Amino acid sequence: DAGVTQSPTHLIKTRGQQVTLRCSPKSGHDTVSWYQQALGQGPQFIFQYYEEEERQRGNFPDRFSGHQFPNYSSELNVNALLLGDSALYLCASGGPANEAFFGQGTRLTVV
Amino acid sequence: AQRVTQPEKLLSVFKGAPVELKCNYSYSGSPELFWYVQYSRQRLQLLLRHISRESIKGFTADLNKGETSFHLKKPFAQEEDSAMYYCALSPLNFNKFYFGSGTKLNVKP
Repeated sequence: DAGVTQSPTHLIKTRGQQVTLRCSPKSGHDTVSWYQQALGQGPQFIFQYYEEEERQRGNFPDRFSGHQFPNYSSELNVNALLLGDSALYLCASGGPANEAFFGQGTRLTVV
Repeated sequence: AQRVTQPEKLLSVFKGAPVELKCNYSYSGSPELFWYVQYSRQRLQLLLRHISRESIKGFTADLNKGETSFHLKKPFAQEEDSAMYYCALSPLNFNKFYFGSGTKLNVKP
């Protein structure tokens, strides 16, 4: 089991562009959550997907959207990128035990 | 509103010394409390959770509901304990976590 995998590992985008990040959950997990981790801060909850629907959402604007596929993998989309969106984006998968397994993250730099 | 506070950004101790990483939280309800650790160039991983009451790698943490604290302790720090430590809370069974800003533990030889 490769655990939670995320792609790409690094990404550089220009302000105003759109970006898509991808996540494959740990085998047997059906819930995928996304977090944003700014430099020097702890991860902040963006949203969570379960059964292909957004189940919970944190305090992030609508520019942040997502999707979950039937195989439980997920995408995070960010539109109209701002410099402040530069961060490490973490994906976490979970099962029934209320425990999160994290991926290595995608480092997004907006220039 | 929920909040997790880790007052120390950096904690430096010598090998063999006791270590305590502080965590205070606020939440209207009964959350589950966790400690996550991130070693250099590794992913964030679970260290321990209060409901299991386990000791992992010599670390323990006791939930004090009166003081709303969940401090992480180890009696004798080792160099391999050097890492970033994050305290987190989660509403029960929601698989959604609120993290503190983290404490970097540096164990000196």
